Amino acid sequence: GDSVTQMEGPVTLSEEAFLTINCTYTATGYPSLFWYVQYPGEGLQLLLKATKADDKGSNKGFEATYRKETTSFHLEKGSVQVSDSAVYFCALIGSGAGSYQLTFGKGTKLSVIP
Amino acid sequence: GAGVSQSPSNKVTEKGKDVELRCDPISGHTALYWYRQRLGQGLEFLIYFQGNSAPDKSGLPSDRFSAERTGESVSTLTIQRTQQEDSAVYLCASRRTGSHTDTQYFGPGTRLTVL
Repeated sequence: GDSVTQMEGPVTLSEEAFLTINCTYTATGYPSLFWYVQYPGEGLQLLLKATKADDKGSNKGFEATYRKETTSFHLEKGSVQVSDSAVYFCALIGSGAGSYQLTFGKGTKLSVIP
Repeated sequence: GAGVSQSPSNKVTEKGKDVELRCDPISGHTALYWYRQRLGQGLEFLIYFQGNSAPDKSGLPSDRFSAERTGESVSTLTIQRTQQEDSAVYLCASRRTGSHTDTQYFGPGTRLTVL
């Protein structure tokens, strides 16, 4: 079945550092890929998505590019802020018939210190 | 506008008791999902409702779990004879259209603790 693997956390960075959270997936066909974020005390919310190969999703300074050849969707941000401290989840929706639920990775906790 | 709401926010129960969790989706959203998140794990899909179609129950872990939704409104997730391994955060999400890649909007979750 479909699966998502993302780097283990927690990740601790200083403010203005460069962020990469690795995400790779296993799925048949051409899944759609997502990054969700959960800020402390808040619900899960969509950060960005890409629905076809080579698409780049971007939002709030974060970017991720759908790489079919490496089955990856790594999340990057050039300069993190304290307010980016959260748990980040990589997820996919498969392209097969009857695929409409999100399959999530286990999440990566990011802490940004001033 | 109002987001997805869930109640209760926290529920502590004793092993063997039944619990009912409620989800109010965003008005007009045709699709509704239940997921759960156990400690240290990613979110697991439980059940999916789309309009008046038969629900996809393929993620329900056992026959102790059931869910209902009336039309495009409130949904309830019922867990009978709760076990300690049912302890988790139960999340509800709703989606506006029939396109499966459209954004799912999540509620704040119900934290269930089974003693």
